[in-house]
Amino acid sequence: DIQMTQSPSSLSASVGDRVTITCRASQSINSYLNWYQQKPGKAPKLLIYAASSLESGVPSRFSGSGSGTDFTLTISSLQPEDFATYSCQQSYSLPFTFGQGTRLEIK
Amino acid sequence: QVQLVQSGAEVKKPGASVQVSCKASGYTFTDYYLHWVRQAPGQGLEWMGWINPKSGGPNYDQKFQGRVTMTRDTSITTAYMVLSSLTSDDTAVYYCARDRRPYYDTNGRDALDVWGQGTLVTVSS
Repeated sequence: DIQMTQSPSSLSASVGDRVTITCRASQSINSYLNWYQQKPGKAPKLLIYAASSLESGVPSRFSGSGSGTDFTLTISSLQPEDFATYSCQQSYSLPFTFGQGTRLEIK
Repeated sequence: QVQLVQSGAEVKKPGASVQVSCKASGYTFTDYYLHWVRQAPGQGLEWMGWINPKSGGPNYDQKFQGRVTMTRDTSITTAYMVLSSLTSDDTAVYYCARDRRPYYDTNGRDALDVWGQGTLVTVSS
């Protein structure tokens, strides 16, 4: 199975900050990488698919980049509604494993 | 609108089985794979498997092989996940989620674009 490792595990930031979350795969996954946002008690929401494609309806302050084994999710200017947990997922090979999540908290 | 609605919370005893249903609406049910993902309390997301609603063919994570069964009923656009031999480690919220890539799009990328609301399964004696 492909292991997905996110860093950091948690992060404190302020409204207006630029934030970057990293996801590393244990082997090359080309650009088969997705990002999800999850708020407490809610189902995850797809933000980015295929490493850099913005899902319809997702604000443009979210962006994704990377290929191979290293990927990043960037939020250009944090908004109050962005404080949540972010998870990456590889869809290169079954099983479609997730990272452990990054909790983004208000500073 | 595209929607997945899951069955309600369950409380089961160790050794029992649980069935979670996932009713799809707003799209052609047989065109999109359905995934099952779970999340234990305070933990990350864990992919369990998927089912091809057109053929009924599933693919399970090896971790759950022999304990999980994923099926569907196309007449009522509903998918089912049965997990057997439950232990306390199976206490989690179980989600169904649609794959954004239709089965006929061989060049598309898989991602989970529509999720059910989740079903809490509690295993306790």
